[in-house]
Formats: sequence, structure tokens, C-alpha cells
Amino acid sequence: GESVGLHLPTLSVQEGDNSIINCAYSNSASDYFIWYKQESGKGPQFIIDIRSNMDKRQGQRVTVLLNKTVKHLSLQIAATQPGDSAVYFCAEMVTSGTYKYIFGTGTRLKVLA
Amino acid sequence: GAVVSQHPSWVICKSGTSVKIECRSLDFQATTMFWYRQFPKQSLMLMATSNEGSKATYEQGVEKDKFLINHASLTLSTLTVTSAHPEDSSFYICSSEGPYNEQFFGPGTRLTVL
Repeated sequence: GESVGLHLPTLSVQEGDNSIINCAYSNSASDYFIWYKQESGKGPQFIIDIRSNMDKRQGQRVTVLLNKTVKHLSLQIAATQPGDSAVYFCAEMVTSGTYKYIFGTGTRLKVLA
Repeated sequence: GAVVSQHPSWVICKSGTSVKIECRSLDFQATTMFWYRQFPKQSLMLMATSNEGSKATYEQGVEKDKFLINHASLTLSTLTVTSAHPEDSSFYICSSEGPYNEQFFGPGTRLTVL
């Protein structure tokens, strides 16, 4: 069935270090992937996306890597800051007549001062 | 990104009552909007896809008679939780679909059923 899962439910990093959050997806036909950040009591906030014709995309302090061979997605955050503390979700867009997003289970990132 | 609002941001109701949650796309017209439910410390689960001018498409396991969705205009979709019970207590989040199938999320509505 369709599923998107994460390897690490909680990740603690020291302020200033780099963070890597991983995600595995199961739908090999998915061609669009998105990372979201969700702070407590708020809706998801778009971070970065990537299409399946790419294997890397960079934003400001964030990089998304896509490995279609093993169906793996990762989010790298450079120089992690306290404001990065949140839950991070990956999502894949699946097409079954209409478009919809399937969300992963989420990883909580804790930034230690 | 686009702005999506939800109203109310939180609501407490008695068991058996119905609650309506509004989702508005403030700066663009959205033919398609989505409703998600999120239980504490869990991920977002898609409940239904709301299509302007037509019936919503519900995900497997979601009762369409319990979660009524109306998408009467290109900027407004509503979710009504009918005869709410404590197990319906959750965080309900909507999103609007943009021109490139991207989704813009609302801030969520916290529903607590006593």
C-alpha cells in the first residue's frame, strides 16, 4: 500500500551542528516530494520540495536529497538554530485519478543550546 | 506562499453537537481543497478532497455522513463534524491546492469534544 515513513522519530542536535532527517517512501511512481515543518499547534509550513527528475535541491540552509533507487528522501539543515526545533514531515504526491499528499510519520527535531 | 485561514482556531463542544470549521483561501481561488486530521504526536491523515461545485472525495475509512464537506465557492470549504464525540477530538487542518499541485496549509483548528 501507499506509505511514507521516517527512520528517526526524535533527533537531538547541538546548536550550530548540521541536522539530517530521513524519510523512506514506498510508492515508486511518486514524482513530487515535499518537506514540511510543523510547530506546536500550527499548520505545516513548506520548507523545500523536489521532483523526481532531480536528486538534489538546495534552499537557504536546507538541502533535500532524493535517491529513487532506494526510495529515500532526506532533509539536511545546516547550522541548526533553536528556531528549527519542530516536527518535520516528508510528503509524497500520489496520483490516483486526482492528486493527493501522503505524509510520513514525522521526526521531532530538538536543538540543544 | 498563499494564505489560507481557518475558523475557529479552537472549539470546545459537548458530545452530540455538530461543529462547523471554515477554511478560506485568502489570496487565490482554489478549485480543490483538502481536509486532514492530526491526532497528538501523529502525522497528518488525509480525510477528504473537497472540490468546488461537486461532491467531496473521501478517503477510505472516513464517514462521509459524519464529516460533511461543502465547497460552495472557490475560496471557502467547510467541514462539519456531526454528532461529535470525544474520539473526534483532534487537530483539523485544511489546505488549498495551487496551480502546480502544491498545497498551502491553514493554521489548523483544535476540536475538543467533552
